[in-house]
Amino acid sequence: GAVVSQHPSRVICKSGTSVKIECRSLDFQATTMFWYRQFPKQSLMLMATSNEGSKATYEQGVEKDKFLINHASLTLSTLTVTSAHPEDSSFYICSARELRTAYNEQFFGPGTRLTVL
Amino acid sequence: DAKTTQPPSMDCAEGRAANLPCNHSTISGNEYVYWYRQIHSQGPQYIIHGLKNNETNEMASLIITEDRKSSTLILHHATLRDTAVYYCIVRSTNDYKLSFGAGTTVTVRA
Repeated sequence: GAVVSQHPSRVICKSGTSVKIECRSLDFQATTMFWYRQFPKQSLMLMATSNEGSKATYEQGVEKDKFLINHASLTLSTLTVTSAHPEDSSFYICSARELRTAYNEQFFGPGTRLTVL
Repeated sequence: DAKTTQPPSMDCAEGRAANLPCNHSTISGNEYVYWYRQIHSQGPQYIIHGLKNNETNEMASLIITEDRKSSTLILHHATLRDTAVYYCIVRSTNDYKLSFGAGTTVTVRA
């Protein structure tokens, strides 16, 4: 299947700082990428849909000014958590939609563990 | 507005088949059934999907009832590495979003 990478895999930061997470599709082009958040022992929650060359679409309850998404190319989307606080500590996962497959399956990255102190 | 219902957990003996049920009684005609799994602290992994016919690939088989209101994912010859949370998701061809429920935590025991 298609490969999606995330960087970094783990990050620890101080409260009030900003953190950028990268999501890359390594062997395919992805016009659409998705960002999810997963708290311990909970399921994945979709945060936003990122479309190449246009503004991201955020799910209800997700602050767009806090979670900045940029999808500047067909293989890269970034999520920036601005002014991070301990409650933002979570597992952030991206996925990319593979256009070459018949049904446009999503392939997921390995996730980024964010810990805000 | 969960579209699927799955048992919260199940155990399976290594080497045996694991049958994972999923109810999706409100599925509509243009919605597919997708299965993903998530091994601890990793991103979800696509397993299989289907519309109305049974499907099989190298990872699993998907059996969909004739009325499409339920399905079963079959893991043939489960191994310890199949221990994960398995998610059953219905998705239409017009909506690329995946809505994850609680899933079924499958534990394969030696």
